[in-house]
Amino acid sequence: DQQVKQNSPSLSVQEGRISILNCDYTNSMFDYFLWYKKYPAEGPTFLISISSIKDKNEDGRFTVFLNKSAKHLSLHIVPSQPGDSAVYFCAASYNSGNTPLVFGKGTRLSVIA
Amino acid sequence: NAGVTQTPKFQVLKTGQSMTLQCAQDMNHNSMYWYRQDPGMGLRLIYYSASEGTTDKGEVPNGYNVSRLNKREFSLRLESAAPSQTSVYFCASSDDPGTYGYEQYFGPGTRLTVT
Repeated sequence: DQQVKQNSPSLSVQEGRISILNCDYTNSMFDYFLWYKKYPAEGPTFLISISSIKDKNEDGRFTVFLNKSAKHLSLHIVPSQPGDSAVYFCAASYNSGNTPLVFGKGTRLSVIA
Repeated sequence: NAGVTQTPKFQVLKTGQSMTLQCAQDMNHNSMYWYRQDPGMGLRLIYYSASEGTTDKGEVPNGYNVSRLNKREFSLRLESAAPSQTSVYFCASSDDPGTYGYEQYFGPGTRLTVT
């Protein structure tokens, strides 16, 4: 049973526009959420995180929104750049991060110049 | 700082052969992890070690063993490789969780093919 779901396997966006990547979770105990970015033949790299006490966290072009009642989070990238083309993984943990991360299956983002 | 290093980068095994994947980190992290990534499956946790001397099973531990050799090193062993273990293996490490969680740092991966 998948606890973290990324229902869109892929997404294409034009350069300069907004990219919105979505993630849903089923375990209401999750209280910490992260986004990772992965380029081919490399390990994932941490992008941004949010705790359940917040509903928004921003870092430059990247913003993560958390809707606890809907068990939904989204990653917004504005403006999108060709270098953002990668696979994005959503991950979740509970007990304030004291449990291993549970990852979604990932969404492949293609930013078209 | 090299971060998290993994060896080898690529490996081809025959069914039934054994091998050990090596992982080391130089960030003085207490926690280390082994994941596998399969097409369309995301990252699945095999084993993790919250501190030197302790190991715990993750989501998919069958067919694997681990050793936390010291604080820096965490190895993954396949005793009798099977084609179902063909995958990309990632090692990761993290600091102790803070009040609101932690981030994991990943190595570059080992691509393993079992024929």
